[in-house]
Amino acid sequence: GAGVSQTPSNKVTEKGKYVELRCDPISGHTALYWYRQSLGQGPEFLIYFQGTGAADDSGLPNDRFFAVRPEGSVSTLKIQRTERGDSAVYLCASSLGEAGNTGELFFGEGSRLTVL
Amino acid sequence: AQSVAQPEDQVNVAEGNPLTVKCTYSVSGNPYLFWYVQYPNRGLQFLLKYITGDNLVKGSYGFEAEFNKSQTSFHLKKPSALVSDSALYFCAVRPYSGAGSYQLTFGKGTKLSVIP
Repeated sequence: GAGVSQTPSNKVTEKGKYVELRCDPISGHTALYWYRQSLGQGPEFLIYFQGTGAADDSGLPNDRFFAVRPEGSVSTLKIQRTERGDSAVYLCASSLGEAGNTGELFFGEGSRLTVL
Repeated sequence: AQSVAQPEDQVNVAEGNPLTVKCTYSVSGNPYLFWYVQYPNRGLQFLLKYITGDNLVKGSYGFEAEFNKSQTSFHLKKPSALVSDSALYFCAVRPYSGAGSYQLTFGKGTKLSVIP
């Protein structure tokens, strides 16, 4: 597709459930990022992939959060044992080039997660 | 660790008047600075960036921003505001190199309302 695609656009789940959020980056973009945006806040960095490997996962809040990108394209963010505090919009972004490039990020529209 | 401050939650300006959205930052070493815009129900869109060189950078939709190293500021400006400029604006920074150089750190955002 022309832009970054994220599914689902909305997800409502119950506390304690497992959730997967998918990101399909722009074709040819080797760098992929996950951010989380809580209400009234700016996006917060979660994890960065260069190709298939997680080059920086220092933003993941705890071990309930995990992300993969097995073939260097589509990525899945996985949240185990969801908590109400996980409710937020999860943003995916991609960019051209290797680590440290100065190019802008292209963001998807986000997946809104609500944990009841 | 890097940080961004956007001191105004909201800026109101009359259509046709100049606008300024303020941003100050803190980062170790030289910064890469960005402005992104978020329209309702849309993903974040890149507006402009400062990497090096001329302190005044021009971006999309007639926006520009001025990098001021001594004041650690990167204010967004436009000579004549349009109603269609009404949106949420985010300033972001990342260091040129070293720890966190893959992570964009965003401010909380400033809501711009252009009044007809």
